[in-house]
Amino acid sequence: AQTVTQSQPEMSVQEAETVTLSCTYDTSESDYYLFWYKQPPSRQMILVIRQEAYKQQNATENRFSVNFQKAAKSFSLKISDSQLGDAAMYFCAYRSLGTGSYQLTFGKGTKLSVIP
Amino acid sequence: KAGVTQTPRYLIKTRGQQVTLSCSPISGHRSVSWYQQTPGQGLQFLFEYFSETQRNKGNFPGRFSGRQFSNSRSEMNVSTLELGDSALYLCASSLGPGELFFGEGSRLTVL
Repeated sequence: AQTVTQSQPEMSVQEAETVTLSCTYDTSESDYYLFWYKQPPSRQMILVIRQEAYKQQNATENRFSVNFQKAAKSFSLKISDSQLGDAAMYFCAYRSLGTGSYQLTFGKGTKLSVIP
Repeated sequence: KAGVTQTPRYLIKTRGQQVTLSCSPISGHRSVSWYQQTPGQGLQFLFEYFSETQRNKGNFPGRFSGRQFSNSRSEMNVSTLELGDSALYLCASSLGPGELFFGEGSRLTVL
């Protein structure tokens, strides 16, 4: 079974600074998707960024980028120019492409605080 | 385009009762999945439905069940509620393997 580990339960960053959230995963599969989801307090979970395992290029979405190291099974999220609205729980998630199911396996999450 | 809609948003039940939660996916999405979110266990997969068929099921007791209707709307039911069933229940719909779209959740409190 796949597992996803987020080793940082809480992190903080100064507004306008850069922060990196860590995620490692364990799988024996070669084809899969990785995701970072954001869950603001009392609000719904939304997708931040997605990475297909077959793509060597790291995904980027505006201020959000990932460092995908397939051999190391590492998938970190970098947030540049942090804003107050970035404060939220961030979940790393894994989806297999070999099972026919869209099930996600989530890490425990990292609570990010942004200091004004 | 309307997002994923979950009802009710909040509910309080007592031990031994049963509860039914409803989820309306984004129009055109045929996959609906359910997750339980608790502070201790995090996000845990309950089950997934695709075109009215359960495609996958997580490691939960038989008290947890679900179904999907022909219009892709889904319901999940929890019978004989226990205190430990208190959680945020999230529904998500998907058009394909690329992304899940989540609803705001139904927060269940069991007293």
